[in-house]
Amino acid sequence: QSVLTQPPSASGTPGQRVTISCSGSSSNIGSNYLYWYQQLPGTAPKLLIYRNNQRPSGVPDRFSGSKSGTSASLAISGLRSEDQADYYCAAWDDSLSGWVFGGGTKLTVL
Amino acid sequence: EVQLVESGGGLVQPGGSLRLSCAASGFTFSRYSMHWVRQAPGKGLVWVSRINSYGSSRGYADSVKGRFTISRDNAKNTLFLQMNSLRAEDTAVYFCAREPILFNSSWGLDIWGQGTMVTVSS
Repeated sequence: QSVLTQPPSASGTPGQRVTISCSGSSSNIGSNYLYWYQQLPGTAPKLLIYRNNQRPSGVPDRFSGSKSGTSASLAISGLRSEDQADYYCAAWDDSLSGWVFGGGTKLTVL
Repeated sequence: EVQLVESGGGLVQPGGSLRLSCAASGFTFSRYSMHWVRQAPGKGLVWVSRINSYGSSRGYADSVKGRFTISRDNAKNTLFLQMNSLRAEDTAVYFCAREPILFNSSWGLDIWGQGTMVTVSS
C-alpha cells in the first residue's frame, strides 16, 4: 500500500491528451512539492517534473504538472508511442521524514 | 558525463549481509544529498534511505531502520548501503539517486543509476 495514490493504469491513442492523478495528505503533497518520474521498460526512473510543474532540460513541453491541496496531476498532450511507460508521483513526507512514492501508473498508448 | 553506477548486488541467504556501492562521476559529488530507492520485481518504487552532502544527517524507511546503514566517502565519490539481517522482502533492484538541494529546498532526484539486483533467498 503506497502512501500516495495513483490509478494503476491509463491509456490513450496517439495525439490524445491523458492525465494521471496522484492523491496524498497534508504531511506530503499538502505541504511539499510534488515530483513526477517516468520509467521506461527495463530502465531507471527519470525525473519528468519537479517542484509541481517545472520541467528539467530536455523534457518536452507536452508534459505538464499541477498541484492543488493534497492532489496533483500529470498531463501528457500529443501522446506518442514512446510515452508508453510507468509514471510515479513522489513527495517528501514530513511525518515519515522520507520520500514517498505513488504505486505507479502504467500508461499504454493504443 | 554525469553518471551513477551501482555495484555489489547478488544472491544472499536470509539473515545475511551485503554492501552496495554507488560510484559517482561527472559532477561534484560532495555537494549533493544522495538516496537509495528500491524496486521489487514487478512492483513500484520505494524510498530506502538518504544522506546529506556532508554525511552528517541520515534517514531511513521504517522497513530497513536498524538493519541498513547508509554512508558516503566524498574523497572517493562513492555512496554505500550496508545491508544486514536481510529478508526475502528486501529482494529488489536498488537504485542510487542524486538530490540537488538549493536554498533548503529539493529539486527532486535528478540523476539515477542503472540499479543493482539484490536477491535474498535460501
